[in-house]
Amino acid sequence: DAKTTQPPSMDCAEGRAANLPCNHSTISGNEYVYWYRQIHSQGPQYIIHGLKNNETNEMASLIITEDRKSSTLILPHATLRDTAVYYCIVRVNTGTASKLTFGTGTRLQVML
Amino acid sequence: EAGVAQSPRYKIIEKRQSVAFWCNPISGHATLYWYQQILGQGPKLLIQFQNNGVVDDSQLPKDRFSAERLKGVDSTLKIQPAKLEDSAVYLCASSPNLRQSSYNEQFFGPGTRLTVL
Repeated sequence: DAKTTQPPSMDCAEGRAANLPCNHSTISGNEYVYWYRQIHSQGPQYIIHGLKNNETNEMASLIITEDRKSSTLILPHATLRDTAVYYCIVRVNTGTASKLTFGTGTRLQVML
Repeated sequence: EAGVAQSPRYKIIEKRQSVAFWCNPISGHATLYWYQQILGQGPKLLIQFQNNGVVDDSQLPKDRFSAERLKGVDSTLKIQPAKLEDSAVYLCASSPNLRQSSYNEQFFGPGTRLTVL
């Protein structure tokens, strides 16, 4: 699985959009980009994933560059409850369940 | 739908003692994972089960760690004897094995925080 690079921490004002970047310059053509987050004292929670097209769900949007070497997770209106560590993970979809390889993630602090 | 259950939530032991953690995955989920998360790091996979068979245990320290999932449902993770460096949060996760799906999301439990003194 390709490695990812994320900033260790970011701040965001409540109500504003939080844009979390991730570099994955060695990504292969069959590898997907996944985002999970981990709120303090909880287990990680799935947010979104994508291959090459932009994706949106009720939690967030995922923007993947055309060369697929980087992506951005967007929380459109951050709230205090979005304060968490956000993990960008790149891996192959094999069609069966497989492990997640976590890095150290980005610690997002949402402030009043 | 009930989530992944883990117990205990916290455990404090002395080095060289033994400890066991229990996990009850989401009903019907064929795949179960145990991850270790050391403070300040992301979770690291220890072992993955598919039903009651081991799929990946390459990062499990087999001299002291063991895990089982006898009936393909609940699982236990044991450490014997514990070392100081085993202090961590132990997370259990489960996922369905939907072959027709492009992705099998993993659902995590709240974890067990182990402190080894």
